[in-house]
Amino acid sequence: DAGITQSPRHKVTETGTPVTLRCHQTENHRYMYWYRQDPGHGLRLIHYSYGVKDTDKGEVSDGYSVSRSKTEDFLLTLESATSSQTSVYFCAISERRGGNQPQHFGDGTRLSIL
Amino acid sequence: GQNIDQPTEMTATEGAIVQINCTYQTSGFNGLFWYQQHAGEAPTFLSYNVLDGLEEKGRFSSFLSRSKGYSYLLLKELQMKDSASYLCAVSGYGQNFVFGPGTRLSVLP
Repeated sequence: DAGITQSPRHKVTETGTPVTLRCHQTENHRYMYWYRQDPGHGLRLIHYSYGVKDTDKGEVSDGYSVSRSKTEDFLLTLESATSSQTSVYFCAISERRGGNQPQHFGDGTRLSIL
Repeated sequence: GQNIDQPTEMTATEGAIVQINCTYQTSGFNGLFWYQQHAGEAPTFLSYNVLDGLEEKGRFSSFLSRSKGYSYLLLKELQMKDSASYLCAVSGYGQNFVFGPGTRLSVLP
């Protein structure tokens, strides 16, 4: 199994509070991704990173920011959480972007915003 | 733009064969991936197709027709543990994956 650890695994918080999710990898892969998964929508890309300090927006980036200060860590921050951000969040990694390289996923973080 | 479609739910019987379809429209294509996701768990990689035809891997096979924008995942000798969601994802040259909505498969005894 790919060495990907997400923390926390579960979190319940209130609207308006800041939340940071962490993804840690031990594979030394260049690319890291944050997705959210909601019923009826499948996996949707929030942000991705193609190297230390190099990040870009995905399909549903509004309300989220990311940072990557080390190859192994990719943080997702909700500056002021809203109920619409209640979801399951997955981190993924890959050696290359696109092509024949599959993405490998962490176990996910279940986030509830009340 | 990119659009990927899959049936929402399917049901099959233990020991049977089931085919899960995926149709796609993309601005660039460099491969199609299938993932399996058990409830409450992470998606796990099953197969990859970039050329037309069938790729076989044990009880699972995946087919691709690039001209038709069509793929299917074939599961043989179904087992109860195959009850899961199956996601197809399309990748383009130097582009991110686009995932379909997933098909939830229930295997009944």
